[in-house]
Amino acid sequence: SAVISQKPSRDICQRGTSLTIQCQVDSQVTMMFWYRQQPGQSLTLIATANQGSEATYESGFVIDKFPISRPNLTFSTLTVSNLSPEDSSIYLCSVGKRGSPLHFGNGTRLTVT
Amino acid sequence: TQLLEQSPQFLSIQEGENLTVYCNSSSVFSSLQWYRQEPGEGPVLLVTVVTGGEVKKLKRLTFQFGDARKDSSLHITAAQPGDTGLYLCAGAGYSTLTFGKGTMLLVSP
Repeated sequence: SAVISQKPSRDICQRGTSLTIQCQVDSQVTMMFWYRQQPGQSLTLIATANQGSEATYESGFVIDKFPISRPNLTFSTLTVSNLSPEDSSIYLCSVGKRGSPLHFGNGTRLTVT
Repeated sequence: TQLLEQSPQFLSIQEGENLTVYCNSSSVFSSLQWYRQEPGEGPVLLVTVVTGGEVKKLKRLTFQFGDARKDSSLHITAAQPGDTGLYLCAGAGYSTLTFGKGTMLLVSP
């Protein structure tokens, strides 16, 4: 199974700033996904990161707030922009196929003050 | 919108006890996955059930998929502190994966 390294593991950011999260996979993968895990809530898919094209966003998530890069088949970044306390959450990178079991990174715990 | 309801939300038991957690939906899924997530880590896949009525065993864990493929259960026999974690079920559709909110299990020595 793929080994996924996610950085940073946690961060505390001030309101109005941005945080960029990196996800590195030890093998080439077609699809990479970004999830948000809010306290007491289920994992919610933010977007699918596509290599060579724009990310595909789920309903309720927009590129201006969550810009994503996918420069190659082993790497992706998610930026959470213009942070507010409501963005405090765990952000997870995962790989797999849509509808199939996923492999997850260890997540980034973001706290916005 | 497909929803998965997990129950209970939180379970605190003593080592050696048995427990069952449930994952229910009004929707039919092509398969259902169970994950365990420990603090500071991402979810790790435990099992995938595909066929209605299917039962899979993973050591002390028994997973069952409902006949109609709308629900599933996870039974743990003789729970151990190492079983502590958040148990998530996820239902797979054609191109979607819907997660439940999870059951937080705490097993005390």
